[in-house]
Amino acid sequence: QLQLQESGPGLVKPSETLSLTCTVSGGSITSSSYYWGWIRQPPGKGLEWIGSLSYSGDTSYSPSLKSRVTISVDTSKNQFSLKLSSVTAADTSVYYCVRGGYYYEDWGQGTLVTVSS
Amino acid sequence: QSALTQPASVSGSPGQSITISCTGTSSDVGDYNYVSWYQHHPGKAPKLVIYEVSTRPSGVSDRFSASKSDNTASLTISGLQAEDEADYYCSSYTSSSTLVFGGGTKLTVL
Repeated sequence: QLQLQESGPGLVKPSETLSLTCTVSGGSITSSSYYWGWIRQPPGKGLEWIGSLSYSGDTSYSPSLKSRVTISVDTSKNQFSLKLSSVTAADTSVYYCVRGGYYYEDWGQGTLVTVSS
Repeated sequence: QSALTQPASVSGSPGQSITISCTGTSSDVGDYNYVSWYQHHPGKAPKLVIYEVSTRPSGVSDRFSASKSDNTASLTISGLQAEDEADYYCSSYTSSSTLVFGGGTKLTVL
């Protein structure tokens, strides 16, 4: 049973970089055919796709966030990460890490990140 | 890319059927059979209930069905149960090799 677990600071200051890690257990992050991604949900709003990373290292990002987002993988730790730079209060959200491709069957429980001074 | 369009809310009584629409464009819903649907109970992780337009993952009730016509996808839940009350989101692959979600629909079981 694959499990995904987000971790990282719950509070980030405006203009700083938000950094989250997703630890994968019960399966290898180097498995082919899967993409590893991030989705967020601002308080009271809907889901927003942030981006994804293929097993081969190819990345795809939401056009609205592309200039600020980096998703990378650490195969030695079976983890992948999200970095979002120059954050504002609008980036306050629950952030989910996911596994899938054109759809996501496996989700982490989500972690709330608040942007505030 | 713009979010897919879903009704903000739908409601139905136990035992009834409801349908949630999801309208996109010829660059996403209309051009790819990669529409998926998620059920989201607040405070929990979203759950995939439909993928590739109309396929149910293992373990998902056959009360959930879905289809697509042109630029609009639809999710139907039959035999409504109290546990179906949740937020529902559609998602589609796009011509930019990205994914896009709908704004979400709140289902109320009366």
